[in-house]
Amino acid sequence: EEQLVESGGGLVQPGRSLRLSCAASGFTFNSYAMHWVRQSPGKGLEWVAHISWNSDNIGYSDSVKGRFTISRDNAKSSLYLHMNSLRPEDTAFYYCVKDSQAAGHWYFDLWGRGTLVTVSS
Amino acid sequence: DIQMTQSPSSLSASVGDRVTITCRASEIIRSSFNWYQQKPGRAPKLLIYATSSLQTGVPSRFSGGGSGTDFTLTISSLQPEDLATYFCQQSYSSPLTFGGGTKVEIK
Repeated sequence: EEQLVESGGGLVQPGRSLRLSCAASGFTFNSYAMHWVRQSPGKGLEWVAHISWNSDNIGYSDSVKGRFTISRDNAKSSLYLHMNSLRPEDTAFYYCVKDSQAAGHWYFDLWGRGTLVTVSS
Repeated sequence: DIQMTQSPSSLSASVGDRVTITCRASEIIRSSFNWYQQKPGRAPKLLIYATSSLQTGVPSRFSGGGSGTDFTLTISSLQPEDLATYFCQQSYSSPLTFGGGTKVEIK
C-alpha cells in the first residue's frame, strides 16, 4: 500500500527553525516528484514547494521563498522541508504529497496525514 | 498567479440530490484541472484529475467537466459519506493554486 507519513511538527517560537520529514513507502519513491502543501486550521490549501525526482528542479511559493528549503533522499525514500525564520502565519498542517501525471496533466494522487506546525511565542 | 474561484462556498442538500460545484480560473488552463475531497479531520484525497478522469476507487456518482476557464464537479446522487469539503486545483502553471473550497453538508 502506498503511504506517506510526516513527522517533525510541533510548537516553535517565531524566528526559530524546524525540519519536517516525510517517509514514503509502497511505491518507487525515486520515480516521482514530490510536494509540500499546507493548510491553516479551518482554511484552504496552499502549495508550498516541489522537488523533481532527481532534485534538479525545485520551486517555492513566494510566501516561503528564501526561508524554506525542500530536499529529498531517494536512498531513504524520504522528503524534507527545512523551515527557517518561522512566522505566526506559517502555522498550518503540512502535507507531504506525491505527484503524478497523465497525458501531460499533473495531479496530487497521494497525500500524507499531515503534521501540525504552530508558530507562537 | 492563476486565481481559482469556487462556488458556492457551502451547500446543504438531501441524500439522493444531484449536486454541482463550479470553479472558475482567472485564465485559460486547458484541461490541467483537478478536484479533491477532504473529509473532516482527514487529509485531502484526489477525486478527479485532468478535468474528467475519475481516480481509481472513486465512486462513479462523481464526475467532472468543463474546459478553458470554467469547470464543474457533479455528484449525481448525494450520499451521507459525501459530507466533506471539495477543493479544485489548477496544475497548468506554477504556483499550483487551489480554490477556496466548497463545504457540502447533508440535510
